[in-house]
Amino acid sequence: NAGVTQTPKFRVLKTGQSMTLLCAQDMNHEYMYWYRQDPGMGLRLIHYSVGEGTTAKGEVPDGYNVSRLKKQNFLLGLESAAPSQTSVYFCASTPGTEAFFGQGTRLTVV
Amino acid sequence: AQTVTQSQPEMSVQEAETVTLSCTYDTSENNYYLFWYKQPPSRQMILVIRQEAYKQQNATENRFSVNFQKAAKSFSLKISDSQLGDTAMYFCAFLGGSNYKLTFGKGTLLTVNP
Repeated sequence: NAGVTQTPKFRVLKTGQSMTLLCAQDMNHEYMYWYRQDPGMGLRLIHYSVGEGTTAKGEVPDGYNVSRLKKQNFLLGLESAAPSQTSVYFCASTPGTEAFFGQGTRLTVV
Repeated sequence: AQTVTQSQPEMSVQEAETVTLSCTYDTSENNYYLFWYKQPPSRQMILVIRQEAYKQQNATENRFSVNFQKAAKSFSLKISDSQLGDTAMYFCAFLGGSNYKLTFGKGTLLTVNP
């Protein structure tokens, strides 16, 4: 089992560029989450999904969009990247009892 | 909406000693899970211990144990016989509610000194 896989692991973007982060899980989990981690701020929830075809906003959703067309995949999109979106991004999934995490994506917007 | 508060941004402990990390949370839910996750410099998120709210018995995992006080909404982590490898960021987390939102505290950076 691969668990939760995030791609890419590193990325540098120029201001205004767009990109999509992919989170894939092979554990048939219903619930999936995207977080950003910044120093001193912990993990802040961007968006989450409670099942295929559903998404919901977390505490810091502005500037991001998500889609969950397939149960195993949760995509995070940045339409027009800003330096404030420089961060480490984590994806997680859970069947409802324990969360499993990807390895994280370090994104730098210059 | 649930919130998780970790009031200790940093802590340090001597090797082989015991340390307790604090966590409080706020929720109107009755059934939920609480977790402590460890994040070493590798950035990997590692589950340390899990507590189910309907279980009164405190969870233990080897040197790690919790003090779960449901009425006080408190969930502290005790690390016994601290080891250098315990040096990491520790996050308290809450999972529950009809929307299964997973909420984290801001973390406590623990340093174990030789």
